[in-house]
Amino acid sequence: DAGVTQSPTHLIKTRGQQVTLRCSPKSGHDTVSWYQQALGQGPQFIFQYYEEEERQRGNFPDRFSGHQFPNYSSELNVNALLLGDSALYLCASSPRTGITEAFFGQGTRLTVV
Amino acid sequence: KQEVTQIPAALSVPEGENLVLNCSFTDSAIYNLQWFRQDPGKGLTSLLLIQSSQREQTSGRLNASLDKSSGRSTLYIAASQPGDSATYLCAVRRWRDDKIIFGKGTRLHILP
Repeated sequence: DAGVTQSPTHLIKTRGQQVTLRCSPKSGHDTVSWYQQALGQGPQFIFQYYEEEERQRGNFPDRFSGHQFPNYSSELNVNALLLGDSALYLCASSPRTGITEAFFGQGTRLTVV
Repeated sequence: KQEVTQIPAALSVPEGENLVLNCSFTDSAIYNLQWFRQDPGKGLTSLLLIQSSQREQTSGRLNASLDKSSGRSTLYIAASQPGDSATYLCAVRRWRDDKIIFGKGTRLHILP
């Protein structure tokens, strides 16, 4: 079992550009959540996908959007990048019921210049 | 609003000492609480998961306790080693919306 895999591992973008990050959940998991972790902070919840729909959303602007595919993999898209979007983006997967452990990927380090 | 607070923010101790990291949370309606380890620039490694009905979990030199009524958890690390140096994050999985809420972490440095 490969666990949760994210790609790419590192990314450098210019202000105003758009970026897509990808996540493959752990085998048997159907729920994917995305988190943003700024330097020195704890991860902040962006949104959660289940059954190919956004189910929950944190306090992030509409520039942040996502998608979940039938195989449960997910994408995070960020439009009109700002310098403040520079962060580690983490993907977590879990089965639908909330009583089990969430598994995190190694993250994508996004740098906006 | 669920808030998770971790104390201390940073800690340096000599190798071999036992230590305790603290986590407090404001809303006791949680599914579970997880402790994670994060090395610089890396993702999260799950250390221990405590279900809301449990009081503690142990893995090797690590022991985590949960007191849901008081909104507190502790992570006890026995016989600390330089390899334990990392940031330790506490997170609760909220019952009402299934969100995981993190603290800001404790940066631990074990001195050889």
